[in-house]
Amino acid sequence: DAGVIQSPRHEVTEMGQEVTLRCKPISGHDYLFWYRQTMMRGLELLIYFNNNVPIDDSGMPEDRFSAKMPNASFSTLKIQPSEPRDSAVYFCASTGGGRPYGYTFGSGTRLTVV
Amino acid sequence: QQPVQSPQAVILREGEDAVINCSSSKALYSVHWYRQKHGEAPVFLMILLKGGEQKGHEKISASFNEKKQQSSLYLTASQLSYSGTYFCGTLRGSNYKLTFGKGTLLTVNP
Repeated sequence: DAGVIQSPRHEVTEMGQEVTLRCKPISGHDYLFWYRQTMMRGLELLIYFNNNVPIDDSGMPEDRFSAKMPNASFSTLKIQPSEPRDSAVYFCASTGGGRPYGYTFGSGTRLTVV
Repeated sequence: QQPVQSPQAVILREGEDAVINCSSSKALYSVHWYRQKHGEAPVFLMILLKGGEQKGHEKISASFNEKKQQSSLYLTASQLSYSGTYFCGTLRGSNYKLTFGKGTLLTVNP
């Protein structure tokens, strides 16, 4: 299995621009998570999906952030408009339901907003 | 609520042992442990469930004290490859909202 695949690996954008991060979970995993990691706040859960349905988005910072999962093999996290304080590493993770498994993380997207 | 990890950092010589602690003020359903190397993604190590047994493999093991809502990660005879940041993640109830501690930076020197 190729694991959780995220793209792009690095993104540099100007303040005010729209940013879209992409994630392909492991085939057969029915839970997908978006995390953000910064030095100050550590690993924060932004949102998670079960069977493509958003279950908890209480960690989404504000309306500028949105996430979708149109099918079992693809999810996006969009920031519009982006701000410098959004600079962070964004991780996607997935796990299989029905049993308590660990979460498999993707390699992450390092976002820099200038 | 974010779990609290201690210590924040620890430096070892190869072959020494270490214990990393994770505590929560709320009742927990399970505790996860992950290791993250610099510039990489967190990697799952093990999970401990409420009412479950101590887990472990090779020289890394962990325990979960349900009464105290605490978990400890034990690294014995440390190797250079053990260096990294260790995170505990906690779940309350049977939902999947895994909340991570701030991490413990472990450095193993030759």
